[in-house]
Amino acid sequence: DAGVTQSPTHLIKTRGQHVTLRCSPISGHKSVSWYQQVLGQGPQFIFQYYEKEERGRGNFPDRFSARQFPNYSSELNVNALLLGDSALYLCASSLGNTGELFFGEGSRLTVL
Amino acid sequence: GIQVEQSPPDLILQEGANSTLRCNFSDSVNNLQWFHQNPWGQLINLFYIPSGTKQNGRLSATTVATERYSLLYISSSQTTDSGVYFCASGGYNKLIFGAGTRLAVHP
Repeated sequence: DAGVTQSPTHLIKTRGQHVTLRCSPISGHKSVSWYQQVLGQGPQFIFQYYEKEERGRGNFPDRFSARQFPNYSSELNVNALLLGDSALYLCASSLGNTGELFFGEGSRLTVL
Repeated sequence: GIQVEQSPPDLILQEGANSTLRCNFSDSVNNLQWFHQNPWGQLINLFYIPSGTKQNGRLSATTVATERYSLLYISSSQTTDSGVYFCASGGYNKLIFGAGTRLAVHP
């Protein structure tokens, strides 16, 4: 079975632009979470969605938004990109609202 | 909120040595996981261990939830064990990650 898949794997944007990152969970998993990892640090929680509803939000500005689709895939959107948004964005899925998380390979965003 | 502290921050070993990585968390938790982050950034699941002891080959982990710590043991280390090890703890699906232990295993 396929694991968590994310796209694109790498992308470069300029300040002020918008970006959309996509995530497909493991088949049968209904929860998707997003994390941001800047160089040299541990990942930080951004959002969690379960059954298409937002169930948790981390300490990120309103420029960050997400949604989950009926097939449980998810998108993370970031508006008005700043240099500090350069990071590895990780998506994780889990079977239910609780339990073990499984991470994708990430989308590496560079903002110039 | 929950705080997660990992020690040591850096560890250098000779191949074949054993090591213990520690994770302290500040509150009772529903979820505790250990990950190995490979050079390409992917987080590889090692253990899902909110409590108790588990073993998988040369790796084992113990979580003492009442005392709010978890230990990851690596025995007979190999160069392929190099990388960053993260402990993550929390409630439901919101994980709080520690800063990681950077492990280098030399031949």
